[in-house]
Amino acid sequence: EAQVTQNPRYLITVTGKKLTVTCSQNMNHEYMSWYRQDPGLGLRQIYYSMNVEVTDKGDVPEGYKVSRKEKRNFPLILESPSPNQTSLYFCASSRATTNEKLFFGSGTQLSVL
Amino acid sequence: AQSVTQLGSHVSVSEGALVLLRCNYSSSVPPYLFWYVQYPNQGLQLLLKYTTGATLVKGINGFEAEFKKSETSFHLTKPSAHMSDAAEYFCAVTRSGGAQKLVFGQGTRLTINP
Repeated sequence: EAQVTQNPRYLITVTGKKLTVTCSQNMNHEYMSWYRQDPGLGLRQIYYSMNVEVTDKGDVPEGYKVSRKEKRNFPLILESPSPNQTSLYFCASSRATTNEKLFFGSGTQLSVL
Repeated sequence: AQSVTQLGSHVSVSEGALVLLRCNYSSSVPPYLFWYVQYPNQGLQLLLKYTTGATLVKGINGFEAEFKKSETSFHLTKPSAHMSDAAEYFCAVTRSGGAQKLVFGQGTRLTINP
């Protein structure tokens, strides 16, 4: 089954404790992206990747890191989480062309205390 | 730069009534436009998309949207609401530059009253 898998689904942590949210897709997609969803703001793009070893900033990259060492994986790293990073996070992937639909993971609800 | 505005963060309709969710965009180039739906505790799924050609686009679950360039709008409609349509709906537009970099609207939560 074609899918984007994010882990964990829920995460509670404390300020400053490094964490990684994993994302993996099994569709051989070139493009992958991370979004955060906050009430009243819709989805905002954090980082995206057009292919292996190619990443770029989205609209809200501050406080986040990503890597794309393999085509299927695109982890999101918070090296020193802060309470304003409490949010619902989604990973998405697609083929690289402009009008392709995005496939989304089920989301990771992160709370930073 | 592209942007999207969804009018109304909450819309409530009765079961069987018309659903109309509004989306206006700004774009300096011909846009690609999308509607995504998010059911509770799930990720987003594509409802429909407009790229080129016919301006009336039909999607899944009986939804459709019409691209109106003169009004810079891409409103989503469904003739008869069903309880299962209760969800959050997002309009989105691609950025310029040719890459798949969607800009999402703020979302509209649709409630269906029995």
